[in-house]
Amino acid sequence: GQQLNQSPQSMFIQEGEDVSMNCTSSSIFNTWLWYKQDPGEGPVLLIALYKAGELTSNGRLTAQFGITRKDSFLNISASIPSDVGIYFCAGVEYGNKLDFGAGTILRVKS
Amino acid sequence: KAGVTQTPRYLIKTRGQQVTLSCSPISGHRSVSWYQQTPGQGLQFLFEYFSETQRNKGNFPGRFSGRQFSNSRSEMNVSTLELGDSALYLCASSSAGAINSPLHFGNGTRLTVT
Repeated sequence: GQQLNQSPQSMFIQEGEDVSMNCTSSSIFNTWLWYKQDPGEGPVLLIALYKAGELTSNGRLTAQFGITRKDSFLNISASIPSDVGIYFCAGVEYGNKLDFGAGTILRVKS
Repeated sequence: KAGVTQTPRYLIKTRGQQVTLSCSPISGHRSVSWYQQTPGQGLQFLFEYFSETQRNKGNFPGRFSGRQFSNSRSEMNVSTLELGDSALYLCASSSAGAINSPLHFGNGTRLTVT
C-alpha cells in the first residue's frame, strides 16, 4: 500500500503567489521525484532528488530532499495560471519499487 | 526522441470481457512499468518489466497480467473485466536497470467498463 503522505490534498492559488507542498514517509527513501499531471495527459517529471539535503531548482520550481530522508518539499514561486494541475511526489525505498503520493490538486482562485 | 506511446487512448468494454493495452517505451529504455490511476486511489503500481522479465508486481488480482517483448514494447491484459477496473492506465519507461531511474509516462489509456 501507499506509504507516502502528501499535503495539502488541494489548494487554490492566485497568480503571483508562492506555493508549497510536501510529502512525508514512514520509511527512509533514497530517491524523491516530483511530477505534474495536466488533464488528459500522463505525469511529467519536474525534479529528481537523490541525496539527503539536496536542493534542486527547475525554473520557478524548487524541491528539497529532507535530511531525515523521510520527507521532501516542492515550492513554486510566483505562480502563473498554467501551474494548475495535479502534483505528485514519488519516492523509492532502498531496494524497493517507486511509491506515489495521492497528489496535490492546484486550482486557480476565482 | 519520441515519448512513450500508449494505444488505444480510449476504450469502452463490458463486464466479463477482456482487454489488451499496448505501450511503446522511449527508444533505448528497457524498463516498462504499468500504473492504474483512479480518482480515489491515486497511482497504483501494477507491475514492472525489464528485459522481458517481470521484476516487480503490485497488489492486483491475477486478472491483471502483462508481458514485454524483445523490442521492449509491453502489453497489459485484463481478463473478466469488472466495473471497478474503469480507470486511466498509465505506462512508464525508464532507461537503466536501476530502480530509481526516473519514469517517463505516456498519456494513458482511459478504460471504461459498463
